[in-house]
Amino acid sequence: KNEVEQSPQNLTAQEGEFITINCSYSVGISALHWLQQHPGGGIVSLFMLSSGKKKHGRLIATINIQEKHSSLHITASHPRDSAVYICAVKRGGSQGNLIFGKGTKLSVKP
Amino acid sequence: ETGVTQTPRHLVMGMTNKKSLKCEQHLGHNAMYWYKQSAKKPLELMFVYSLEERVENNSVPSRFSPECPNSSHLFLHLHTLQPEDSALYLCASSQVAGWATNTGELFFGEGSRLTVL
Repeated sequence: KNEVEQSPQNLTAQEGEFITINCSYSVGISALHWLQQHPGGGIVSLFMLSSGKKKHGRLIATINIQEKHSSLHITASHPRDSAVYICAVKRGGSQGNLIFGKGTKLSVKP
Repeated sequence: ETGVTQTPRHLVMGMTNKKSLKCEQHLGHNAMYWYKQSAKKPLELMFVYSLEERVENNSVPSRFSPECPNSSHLFLHLHTLQPEDSALYLCASSQVAGWATNTGELFFGEGSRLTVL
């Protein structure tokens, strides 16, 4: 079992729908990242959070440290949101590189 | 544009070839990373350089050889690769604190898509 699990693996939505992608992890962490990977391969960091909630435009990320769970929400989804969304966690401790989930492939239809 | 540039974007090589992947970052970061992304698998960390010193080598076969000549440049030298090495190779950079704690987010390049015939 991976230390970072994402659900769903694949998600198809209609333009305008509210989208939720989930991430659960099994290790102690100091931070959690949400990343976006477009079909060309490049990866962009969306959020880094260690508690609570962050918002950037139509994107909202939340984390519950006690439950070891994070969600990424997209409001008013658009075809340009189509991408793979990757959750990654940084283990607690002095040196901890990221542990990645397998990603959620989102396709938003017009 | 993330400030991290990788070349080439696509590379096809035979099993006996020697080639190199190049990564350059213009962000003033002091840590650079090589990741491997295979189909349907999570990103795998290969190498980490912090302050130009290799601090992590995740059991990567010796046919992959990294080089970090300065804090802005990172290379991955490839020789006698196998078909299963075909993957997307991603470079990233970040700012690392004095005792090698990654305090910030990662900035990724666009990746180099490698096909080994």
